Amino acid sequence: AQSVTQLDSQVPVFEEAPVELRCNYSSSVSVYLFWYVQYPNQGLQLLLKYLSGSTLVKGINGFEAEFNKSQTSFHLRKPSVHISDTAEYFCAVSDFQGAQKLVFGQGTRLTINP
Amino acid sequence: DAGVIQSPRHEVTEMGQEVTLRCKPISGHDYLFWYRQTMMRGLELLIYFNNNVPIDDSGMPEDRFSAKMPNASFSTLKIQPSEPRDSAVYFCASSWGQVGQPQHFGDGTRLSIL
Repeated sequence: AQSVTQLDSQVPVFEEAPVELRCNYSSSVSVYLFWYVQYPNQGLQLLLKYLSGSTLVKGINGFEAEFNKSQTSFHLRKPSVHISDTAEYFCAVSDFQGAQKLVFGQGTRLTINP
Repeated sequence: DAGVIQSPRHEVTEMGQEVTLRCKPISGHDYLFWYRQTMMRGLELLIYFNNNVPIDDSGMPEDRFSAKMPNASFSTLKIQPSEPRDSAVYFCASSWGQVGQPQHFGDGTRLSIL
């Protein structure tokens, strides 16, 4: 079975500063990896996904993530954040066999201060 | 295009009452998922369907919870009898059944059991 650990429950940063949200996963088989964002009172939206190929994946809103198989990590980064990036971010994993079933991390609340 | 539609958006009811949550998936999607989100437990997968057939209901907390998908465009999650600990935000999501396809979430139903 897979599991996902998001190492920070809350991350406060100043506007225009860089940010990294950390995600580690555990799985005995090859996996697909996802980052979702949840704005207040809304459902989750896909930011980006890693299926195969290049380990650096670019998503919407200027976010990117890097898959590191040896460290079983999939950290999310943005070089310069905006107030509108304030939201909760979820890392998720699925394996090749149950490809439609996702296991989510506990989420990281990103707060952007002016 | 219409996204995943959930109703009602908010539900407040008294303990012991029956609660029915509704979901209309995106047209053409063949997977449907029900999740529950709370502060304490995060995002939990309750059950998911493929082509209207329940595939995995291991996340359903107890017999008071039931879910149906009578056709490709409609699903219900029912709680009977409801208890205060069922208070949460319930999300429905749908997806294509192909490798790496993201899940599309509705805006959720905020359920409060008094």
